[in-house]
Amino acid sequence: GNSVTQMEGPVTLSEEAFLTINCTYTATGYPSLFWYVQYPGEGLQLLLKATKADDKGSNKGFEATYRKETTSFHLEKGSVQVSDSAVYFCALSLNNAGNMLTFGGGTRLMVKP
Amino acid sequence: DGGITQSPKYLFRKEGQNVTLSCEQNLNHDAMYWYRQDPGQGLRLIYYSQIVNDFQKGDIAEGYSVSREKKESFPLTVTSAQKNPTAFYLCASSGDSLGNEQFFGPGTRLTVL
Repeated sequence: GNSVTQMEGPVTLSEEAFLTINCTYTATGYPSLFWYVQYPGEGLQLLLKATKADDKGSNKGFEATYRKETTSFHLEKGSVQVSDSAVYFCALSLNNAGNMLTFGGGTRLMVKP
Repeated sequence: DGGITQSPKYLFRKEGQNVTLSCEQNLNHDAMYWYRQDPGQGLRLIYYSQIVNDFQKGDIAEGYSVSREKKESFPLTVTSAQKNPTAFYLCASSGDSLGNEQFFGPGTRLTVL
């Protein structure tokens, strides 16, 4: 089956620290990969995506590269801010399954001033 | 502005009562989804619909029902058969191009008293 595994949180960082949230996947085909962010009490927002191997998605200083050889899509940011505190979800969809998403369990990020 | 709306934001229900959660989108998307999120947990798929007048059970459909009479609307009914309905419910939609992301509504927090 298909699955997404994320590092467990919470991840606690000081402002301006470097962020990495690991995400690895298992899929029976060639997935598209996504990172979503959820702020407290809100729905999910798409942060970035990549649809084929070696693509890099980027948005708001966050980046993730689709690594087929390691089946990974790690999220990185060079300098986090307090406003980045949220829960981050990694997800995949398969081309032969419409746009059905398989989610990881989410990683809570807390950034302290 | 295009988007997804869910109402109400907060909903309280007595045990034994059915309740319907609203989800409307004006993005002209064919596919719509309902997820359940429990505190500190990821998302679990309840029902999805790829096209009007058709819908499929997700991973945790027991105790829930849906309808898809219009493209724009995908209401979810939480029935009295749902043993533990207190949760955060998220609705999403997506276009039919491969690799398209899902767009999420703001969510409805249901509390059973």
